[in-house]
Amino acid sequence: DGGITQSPKYLFRKEGQNVTLSCEQNLNHDAMYWYRQDPGQGLRLIYYSQIVNDFQKGDIAEGYSVSREKKESFPLTVTSAQKNPTAFYLCASSARVAVGDETQYFGPGTRLLVL
Amino acid sequence: SQQGEEDPQALSIQEGENATMNCSYKTSINNLQWYRQNSGRGLVHLILIRSNEREKHSGRLRVTLDTSKKSSSLLITASRAADTASYFCATRAGGGNKLTFGTGTQLKVEL
Repeated sequence: DGGITQSPKYLFRKEGQNVTLSCEQNLNHDAMYWYRQDPGQGLRLIYYSQIVNDFQKGDIAEGYSVSREKKESFPLTVTSAQKNPTAFYLCASSARVAVGDETQYFGPGTRLLVL
Repeated sequence: SQQGEEDPQALSIQEGENATMNCSYKTSINNLQWYRQNSGRGLVHLILIRSNEREKHSGRLRVTLDTSKKSSSLLITASRAADTASYFCATRAGGGNKLTFGTGTQLKVEL
């Protein structure tokens, strides 16, 4: 998982509550990503950011928001509008494509549970 | 929608045997990558094969790519119990570094 940290490991959300998942990387990567993984499923892209102060919606952005104020940080907020938030959330980062390194490096994940 | 579909969904083998898993995708790609995920953990990159390559090796891993059939296979030779994990293919298409992941193959290697 080296170089990317996610916190907390487990997070509980009450109905109507917004919660924020933290993702920090010290790999000096420009691009960062948030994925959602449901049991027995692959990863689905929520949001991604290729550079500071810029981000784009992925395939399932509804009910989520992000910010990218610093290169090393890409927090994800799960809003009350996300009606089925229970899932495993994975953050990843990668160098710019122009550098030639196209692999993504993943954090250890945050498991979000609804009370 | 998922770009890649892995086959089989689950695979159980004995230690020392080879494990083969396949990935099919729908559109033209720049490259295809394989990742491994241990239960409850993040993904780890295994190998990347570009669209102009047909085969690539890394240790006990062998990846093939057939762009005419839009498919790839991952072979793990002489499997070990520690290889037990889920394996995902991911494809990159177009500009940027956005990846689309498949649904994964769960591999169990028994002693």
